[in-house]
Parts: sequence; structure tokens; C-alpha cells
Amino acid sequence: EAGVAQSPRYKIIEKRQSVAFWCNPISGHATLYWYQQILGQGPKLLIQFQNNGVVDDSQLPKDRFSAERLKGVDSTLKIQPAKLEDSAVYLCASSLVGTQYFGPGTRLLVL
Amino acid sequence: TQLLEQSPQFLSIQEGENLTVYCNSSSVFSSLQWYRQEPGEGPVLLVTVVTGGEVKKLKRLTFQFGDARKDSSLHITAAQPGDTGLYLCSTDSWGKLQFGAGTQVVVTP
Repeated sequence: EAGVAQSPRYKIIEKRQSVAFWCNPISGHATLYWYQQILGQGPKLLIQFQNNGVVDDSQLPKDRFSAERLKGVDSTLKIQPAKLEDSAVYLCASSLVGTQYFGPGTRLLVL
Repeated sequence: TQLLEQSPQFLSIQEGENLTVYCNSSSVFSSLQWYRQEPGEGPVLLVTVVTGGEVKKLKRLTFQFGDARKDSSLHITAAQPGDTGLYLCSTDSWGKLQFGAGTQVVVTP
């Protein structure tokens, strides 16, 4: 069974630029999550989708971050404009019931 | 303020040694999960503990949930280089995971 796919794996941008990350969850998983993991910290939930609806986006900085889940399958997370403090690994996870399965993440460096 | 405090932050040991990492909180949890995250990868669930005092074993890894369900420990016996990684504990509240900062473990041959 294929795991959670994410792209790109690495991205370097300058502050105030825009960036987008893509996630393809495990087939059939209705719930999709985006996490931000800053160096030296554990992952922090940004947004949770159930099918194509948002369940929780309370920790998403909505002035610069946006996310959508296309047709309840793939998802994109966008940052516009990026700040230095957005440098982190962005992890996508999906679940059917219970256990969350994580993708390898996208490592973002904002200069 | 971290809901879950993990210690130590970093641990470097030689192959064959034993190690223990800790996850503590002032809150009571219905369950607690342990993950391992290898470099360049996402976290992978190792175990979920749900009962106070529970002990679970996964090969050379032993997980314990405190009697009061406020803390947990992970003990690795005869560590191997393949055990290298970031060990994270987390709570699960209706599918929302909240992680500690993790313990970085490095096992050298």
C-alpha cells in the first residue's frame, strides 16, 4: 500500500515570496492533516480536513496560510507571503480511523 | 507552555547500551502515544498506552504508562544504530495529536 506522498521535498525561498506544498493521502483515508514542525520541536497541527471540509483550523495563521482539499483527496497548503519564522518541515498525515500515517514532509527554508 | 515535557532533549550512547527517555505532564490522559521519527521522514507510531501502570513491549523497546496516567517512559535495551531517531510522545484528543518536543537519540556503532 502506497504511503502519504508529499512534494516538493525541499524548498528554499526568500521572505515575502509565496510557496505551495502538495499532499496525496493514502487511498480511502477521509481525514487529512497538515502539521508544522520547527527545528527542535514536535509537530504542531495546523489544519484538519474531513473529506473536503475543514474540521479544525484554529492554529492556522490565516493572514498568510491557506489550505484546500481538492475533491476530498489531494491537498495543498500555501504560504503567502512567507516570513523567516515559517522555516520548518511541513508534514501531511492521513487517517481512516485512529492511527495517523505521516508523509516524509517538505523542508522549507525562508531566507 | 508544553503540555508534554520530554527528557532528556538529547541522548548519545554506544551500541549495546540501554537508555530510557521520559514524557511527563501535570495533566491526566486517557491514552498516550509514542512515535519515532527518522531523519527526513515523518513520525511513525510505535505504541499506544491506555491503562495506568500498563507495560507494553515491542522487541527491545519497553513502554510504561504511569499509574496516574500523567507520565510515560520508553526503555530501549541493547540499543542498535537503527534505533537512532527522534522519539516523540503525544496525546490524542478526538484525532488531534499534541506532541512533546521529543528526545533525539543517537546510537553509534
